[in-house]
Amino acid sequence: GEDVEQSLFLSVREGDSSVINCTYTDSSSTYLYWYKQEPGAGLQLLTYIFSNMDMKQDQRLTVLLNKKDKHLSLRIADTQTGDSAIYFCAEKSGNQFYFGTGTSLTVIP
Amino acid sequence: AAGVIQSPRHLIKEKRETATLKCYPIPRHDTVYWYQQGPGQDPQFLISFYEKMQSDKGSIPDRFSAQQFSDYHSELNMSSLELGDSALYFCASSLRTGTETQYFGPGTRLLVL
Repeated sequence: GEDVEQSLFLSVREGDSSVINCTYTDSSSTYLYWYKQEPGAGLQLLTYIFSNMDMKQDQRLTVLLNKKDKHLSLRIADTQTGDSAIYFCAEKSGNQFYFGTGTSLTVIP
Repeated sequence: AAGVIQSPRHLIKEKRETATLKCYPIPRHDTVYWYQQGPGQDPQFLISFYEKMQSDKGSIPDRFSAQQFSDYHSELNMSSLELGDSALYFCASSLRTGTETQYFGPGTRLLVL
């Protein structure tokens, strides 16, 4: 399968910006996604980006894609305690989706 | 808006028993995916169906089988359950045209004792 890697943990103070990084391997991925998972819950789609885009902004979320380096990042502005969760990036390769290992974001009040 | 529905939400079984998990996709979605997520793990793709036919196969054990019915709901059948099958099982659905974004159900938490 494809390798999608993320750092495991991130802690930020409430009100600061969070940046979650992801690297992927399949250069032919057409879409890349960010999902949020709260404890014991399902995966909630946050946003996605088409591979021919460099950036996508959606309210507090900014996705940056560096296709040359196969690097994807999710920036959360003005991070709130409710943003504490595990964040998964995912790439679509062929007909399959591959998820990263997840980054556990802890927001300190 | 309607979301992906999974049932049951929780299930407790003993070793060597069987279990059936059900998934009802978002209306008009034509593709269903099944994932297994162990504790502290990322979701692992098991199998997918497009228009009621198996589309892709991932790390689904031979003890498991799945199908998609004419109303597009899908069932994951698990036999000879093992302790290691304890996990969260997610179903996701998507529409093959467009972004093919997968929308996930709340999951079924399976505990094998």
